[in-house]
Amino acid sequence: DAGVTQSPTHLIKTRGQQVTLRCSPKSGHDTVSWYQQALGQGPQFIFQYYEEEERQRGNFPDRFSGHQFPNYSSELNVNALLLGDSALYLCASSPLDSYNEQFFGPGTRLTVL
Amino acid sequence: GQQLNQSPQSMFIQEGEDVSMNCTSSSIFNTWLWYKQDPGEGPVLLIALYKAGELTSNGRLTAQFGITRKDSFLNISASIPSDVGIYFCAGREAGAGSYQLTFGKGTKLSVIP
Repeated sequence: DAGVTQSPTHLIKTRGQQVTLRCSPKSGHDTVSWYQQALGQGPQFIFQYYEEEERQRGNFPDRFSGHQFPNYSSELNVNALLLGDSALYLCASSPLDSYNEQFFGPGTRLTVL
Repeated sequence: GQQLNQSPQSMFIQEGEDVSMNCTSSSIFNTWLWYKQDPGEGPVLLIALYKAGELTSNGRLTAQFGITRKDSFLNISASIPSDVGIYFCAGREAGAGSYQLTFGKGTKLSVIP
């Protein structure tokens, strides 16, 4: 049973560019959350998707947007990249009956130059 | 926004020693979770707690949901070298419509053989 998968593993972009990160949830999970983890910090909640809708959003600007597909996979888009967007971006999935227990993927390391 | 205070920030212990770390919040939480993160990996869920006063074990790990619902503790008994990593507490605030997890800044554990 595959766990949460994310792609790509690493990504290098320049300021002002746009990026799309992808996530496939664990089998049987229908809820996907995205987190940003800066170096030396704990993950910070960006948003959560359920039934293809953004259910809750953290304190992130509109440059951060997302999407969930009918197969529950999800994308995170970041526009107009800033140097401060450099971080590990984590996707977490949860099952229908227990959205408290979030299982994380390995993350995508984004570097903005 | 809400932040969790996790302590200590780092620990150096001898193999075989017991370890304790804790997490406090300024508001009431419905759920407390403990994760471990290894370098280059996503956090791995260790223990989930759902009721005030609950004490739950997972092998050598034991965690407790504080009676006030504003804190949680994690203990590791008889530490071994593979316990090395960063341990994060995370919680979900009480209240309708709250789905996000809030994380602490982590406790970095080093085990000296």
